[in-house]
Amino acid sequence: DGGITQSPKYLFRKEGQNVTLSCEQNLNHDAMYWYRQDPGQGLRLIYYSQIVNDFQKGDIAEGYSVSREKKESFPLTVTSAQKNPTAFYLCASSRSGQGVYEQYFGPGTRLTVT
Amino acid sequence: GQQLNQSPQSMFIQEGEDVSMNCTSSSIFNTWLWYKQEPGEGPVLLIALYKAGELTSNGRLTAQFGITRKDSFLNISASIPSDVGIYFCAGRRGSSNTGKLIFGQGTTLQVKP
Repeated sequence: DGGITQSPKYLFRKEGQNVTLSCEQNLNHDAMYWYRQDPGQGLRLIYYSQIVNDFQKGDIAEGYSVSREKKESFPLTVTSAQKNPTAFYLCASSRSGQGVYEQYFGPGTRLTVT
Repeated sequence: GQQLNQSPQSMFIQEGEDVSMNCTSSSIFNTWLWYKQEPGEGPVLLIALYKAGELTSNGRLTAQFGITRKDSFLNISASIPSDVGIYFCAGRRGSSNTGKLIFGQGTTLQVKP
């Protein structure tokens, strides 16, 4: 089955620690995205990548980092510099160009930092 | 970053009623997407719209791409309890050269059996 996987579903960390969230897709999509969702709010874009070895900052990139070494994988690191890291994190992917911009989401990772 | 204006923010309706929600922007969009999210899960794509005036259905759901290209509407007919969730609109600006989407803040739908 084609789809997007995120692991783990729940993640707990102590303040001051970096943590990496996994995102893998087997849809053969070129573009991948990371969003943050807080209660009662919409999705805010953290980083996105339209092609391997290239990525751009979204609206709230401070305190986060990403890499895109493989087409299938787009891990997100939440660093200790992120002031309020507790949130629900969503990864998405889409075809790039060709006039189709539908993004497909993974199941999400809920990160709690105490 | 810019967000779309989605309304209403929440709805509490009786099973069997029809539902309408909308999304507006001050900018022109060339793509509108509607998603549904259930608690603790990722959003699921319901309908994609690519042309002004386009009307597309998916079962009991119907969405329209506004003629001005600055708004979109989602209707759910004869609601059932499993329609409960948060519905998000998302759009891609006409001036964009990427696949970046802008999301509305969501409409929370509750259905009373």
